[in-house]
Amino acid sequence: EAGVVQSPRYKIIEKKQPVAFWCNPISGHNTLYWYLQNLGQGPELLIRYENEEAVDDSQLPKDRFSAERLKGVDSTLKIQPAELGDSAVYLCASSLGGKDGELFFGEGSRLTVL
Amino acid sequence: GDSVTQMEGPVTLSEEAFLTINCTYTATGYPSLFWYVQYPGEGLQLLLKATKADDKGSNKGFEATYRKETTSFHLEKGSVQVSDSAVYFCALIGTALIFGKGTTLSVSS
Repeated sequence: EAGVVQSPRYKIIEKKQPVAFWCNPISGHNTLYWYLQNLGQGPELLIRYENEEAVDDSQLPKDRFSAERLKGVDSTLKIQPAELGDSAVYLCASSLGGKDGELFFGEGSRLTVL
Repeated sequence: GDSVTQMEGPVTLSEEAFLTINCTYTATGYPSLFWYVQYPGEGLQLLLKATKADDKGSNKGFEATYRKETTSFHLEKGSVQVSDSAVYFCALIGTALIFGKGTTLSVSS
C-alpha cells in the first residue's frame, strides 16, 4: 500500500515568490493534515481537513497561506508571497479519523526561502 | 490548552545502554498518547501508543506507560542499538496530534 506522497521534496525560492506543495494521502483516509516543522522543533498543525472541509484552520496564517482539498483526496498548500521565516519542512499526514486514529506522515517538503 | 513537554537532547549513549526519554503532558481529560520517531532522511512514523491510563505501549523493544497520576508517558528501552539513532517525539491527540519538541538520540558502537 502506498504511503502519503508529497512533492516537491525540496524547494528553494527567493522571498516574495509563491510556492505550492502537493499531498496525496493514503487511499480511504478521510482526514488530512498539514503540519509545519521548524528546525529543532516538533510539528505544529496548520490545517486539518475532514474530506473536503477544512475543520480546523485556526493556526493557518491566512494573509499568505492557503490550502485546498478538492474532491476530498489530494491537497495543495500554497504560500504567496513567501517570507524568509517560512523556511521549514511542511508535512502532510492522513488518517482514518477518530480519537485514536494513527496519523501517517509523508516525508515532507523542505522549503528554503532566500 | 493541551501541551506536551519532553526532555531536551541530544541524548548520547553507547550501544546496549538503557534509555529513558521523559515526557509529560497537560490536557483536558485523558487523551491517547503517542511516541513518534523520525529516522534520518525519513518521515515521521508511529513507534507506540497508549489509549488509556495504565496502558503500556510497546514496539521494537521500546515501552511507555500511560501514567495518569503523574501525567507522564516516558519512553524506555533496555538496550539501545546504533539503528535507534533518531529524533523521538512525544504527542497527544486532541482534534489533531500535538507534539513535543523532540529529543535527538545518538547511539555509538
